[in-house]
Amino acid sequence: GEDVEQSLFLSVREGDSSVINCTYTDSSSTYLYWYKQEPGAGLQLLTYIFSNMDMKQDQRLTVLLNKKDKHLSLRIADTQTGDSAIYFCAEMDGNTGKLIFGQGTTLQVKP
Amino acid sequence: GAVVSQHPSWVICKSGTSVKIECRSLDFQATTMFWYRQFPKQSLMLMATSNEGSKATYEQGVEKDKFLINHASLTLSTLTVTSAHPEDSSFYICSAQSAGVVIYNEQFFGPGTRLTVL
Repeated sequence: GEDVEQSLFLSVREGDSSVINCTYTDSSSTYLYWYKQEPGAGLQLLTYIFSNMDMKQDQRLTVLLNKKDKHLSLRIADTQTGDSAIYFCAEMDGNTGKLIFGQGTTLQVKP
Repeated sequence: GAVVSQHPSWVICKSGTSVKIECRSLDFQATTMFWYRQFPKQSLMLMATSNEGSKATYEQGVEKDKFLINHASLTLSTLTVTSAHPEDSSFYICSAQSAGVVIYNEQFFGPGTRLTVL
C-alpha cells in the first residue's frame, strides 16, 4: 500500500532555515500537503503542491517536489520559536481521494 | 472561514461506557467528513469516511460496531465509541471537505478530542 516516510526530529537555531524531508510511494498522488500540529491541537494546512509542479513558494515556506524520486521537502526560512511544532507530510491517494500521512517531524527551534 | 469544531475537547470515562464526539463545520457545508485516530507521537490513521445521508465507509481493521459514525446533516458528524476500553484512549480528530468547489481537495481539521478511558 501507500507509504509516506519522514524523519522524526529536527532541531535548528532561531533565524536559521529548516528543511523537513518526506518520501512517498504512490505515483498516482495528485496533491501533496504540509500540515502543522501544535501540542494538543488539530492540524493546520500550511501549504500544498500539485503533483505536476516542481516548486511552490509562499512567504517563508518553500516546497520542492521531485516527482521522479517521490521526494518532497518543506523549507522554512528564518525559523522562529513559534514554528516549533510537529509537521506532517501527506499525499492524496489519486484513486480514493484519501489522505495518507507521514509519521510527523518534530521541529525544535532553539533561541 | 472553513472552521471545524469538535465537542468535547477532552473526555474521561469509565471502561464499558459509551462516548459521543461531535464534529461540526461551522461556516460551510461538508458532504464528506473523515475521522482519524492519533496515538501519542504517531501519525494520523484514517478510521472512516462519512458521507452525508449514507453509511460510513470504514478502513480495514476498524470495528464498525464499536465506532459508530452518523452524518445526519451537511454540518454535523458524530463518532460514538461504544463500550469503551482503556485501549480506545487516544486523540480523535475529524476533518471536513467542503460541498462547494474544491480546488485542492483540502480537508479542514477540527481541534481534536482527547479520550481517556479508565
